[in-house]
Amino acid sequence: ELKVEQNPLFLSMQEGKNYTIYCNYSTTSDRLYWYRQDPGKSLESLFVLLSNGAVKQEGRLMASLDTKARLSTLHITAAVHDLSATYFCAGLASGTYKYIFGTGTRLKVLA
Amino acid sequence: EPEVTQTPSHQVTQMGQEVILRCVPISNHLYFYWYRQILGQKVEFLVSFYNNEISEKSEIFDDQFSVERPDGSNFTLKIRSTKLEDSAMYFCASSRDGSGANVLTFGAGSRLTVL
Repeated sequence: ELKVEQNPLFLSMQEGKNYTIYCNYSTTSDRLYWYRQDPGKSLESLFVLLSNGAVKQEGRLMASLDTKARLSTLHITAAVHDLSATYFCAGLASGTYKYIFGTGTRLKVLA
Repeated sequence: EPEVTQTPSHQVTQMGQEVILRCVPISNHLYFYWYRQILGQKVEFLVSFYNNEISEKSEIFDDQFSVERPDGSNFTLKIRSTKLEDSAMYFCASSRDGSGANVLTFGAGSRLTVL
């Protein structure tokens, strides 16, 4: 069964700094997704990565997928306070309709 | 922008009571899901539903749980006899197809508190 793990679980960073969140998954996953969740809120889709080598960017966030390494990364450039949230990656196990979420990374950007 | 709507936003119930959580998926979506999130923790898959039947379910989705699409718009999750450990946020989600090219769109969630 597909397992998805993220690290770090918690990340506290200064505004203006760069950092990367890592998402590893255990078996073949056709797709990889990144979501953002603000406290007490729902999950908001950030990126869909559909193939090996896919890279997507939106503002200060950039996501990439390496299916050979079973690794996706979410890179944060010049962090701002508004990026403080919990970030989840999720994989879709091949041949299923089951999206499996990682453990989440709680990001806090300090002013 | 189309959205998934869930009701109620918060329900408090006594242990052993039945609870029904309701969802209205996006109208042209065909795949429906329930997830739950215990406070501050992982988002856990419960069940997926397509063509009026369950596609997959997790170990959490035992005989106490059921899902139904009673009409063309609603998608419900029923918990027959709630336990304390059922306290969580329950999210409904939908997607246009099962290819995975389309994201899951989540509702705002229903917070269930079992006393």
